[in-house]
Amino acid sequence: AQKVTQAQTEISVVEKEDVTLDCVYETRDTTYYLFWYKQPPSGELVFLIRRNSFDEQNEISGRYSWNFQKSTSSFNFTITASQVVDSAVYFCALSEDSTGTASKLTFGTGTRLQVTL
Amino acid sequence: ETGVTQTPRHLVMGMTNKKSLKCEQHLGHNAMYWYKQSAKKPLELMFVYNFKEQTENNSVPSRFSPECPNSSHLFLHLHTLQPEDSALYLCASSQEEAQTHYYGYTFGSGTRLTVV
Repeated sequence: AQKVTQAQTEISVVEKEDVTLDCVYETRDTTYYLFWYKQPPSGELVFLIRRNSFDEQNEISGRYSWNFQKSTSSFNFTITASQVVDSAVYFCALSEDSTGTASKLTFGTGTRLQVTL
Repeated sequence: ETGVTQTPRHLVMGMTNKKSLKCEQHLGHNAMYWYKQSAKKPLELMFVYNFKEQTENNSVPSRFSPECPNSSHLFLHLHTLQPEDSALYLCASSQEEAQTHYYGYTFGSGTRLTVV
């Protein structure tokens, strides 16, 4: 069975600080997909990034960066120079390969990030 | 505007009421999902529909009854709920192809349900 662990329940930082959100996953599959979503106070989950298990190249998108390490089963998310608008709950999720059927995402419990002035 | 619209945004219902949650997407996706989000718990997958066919019922009590009349609409019918069913109910859709998972899910804003 697949499992996603986000050990940090809440993180509070001051604006402009860098912050890393941890994600550790468990799966028996060799082909799988990892995601990060952001949930602002409005409620909807916003897709941030997808990574497949064969692509360990780290990615940077503006102030966001992701570090995927299969050796430690981790997919950590770093926000550089955090801003108040980054305040939200962030979810890491895992999907196993299910070609031909609808995919199912398994989510972690989320990390609430609070960025203050 | 997320592309997935859920109504109502908020719902308060008594334990003997019958109500329905509605989800609509016009993204051309062919898979739709219901998730339950309770405080301090992971999002729980409830139901999966792929091309209008239910492919997953994740041990959900029968007081929750999904309906998918077409690939753009998904309903969750509620009947004789319990206070512990109070949660945020999220609908999502995705485009499932041979190279699945590529786009991830698109979520709606959810319906905040309170059972009194």
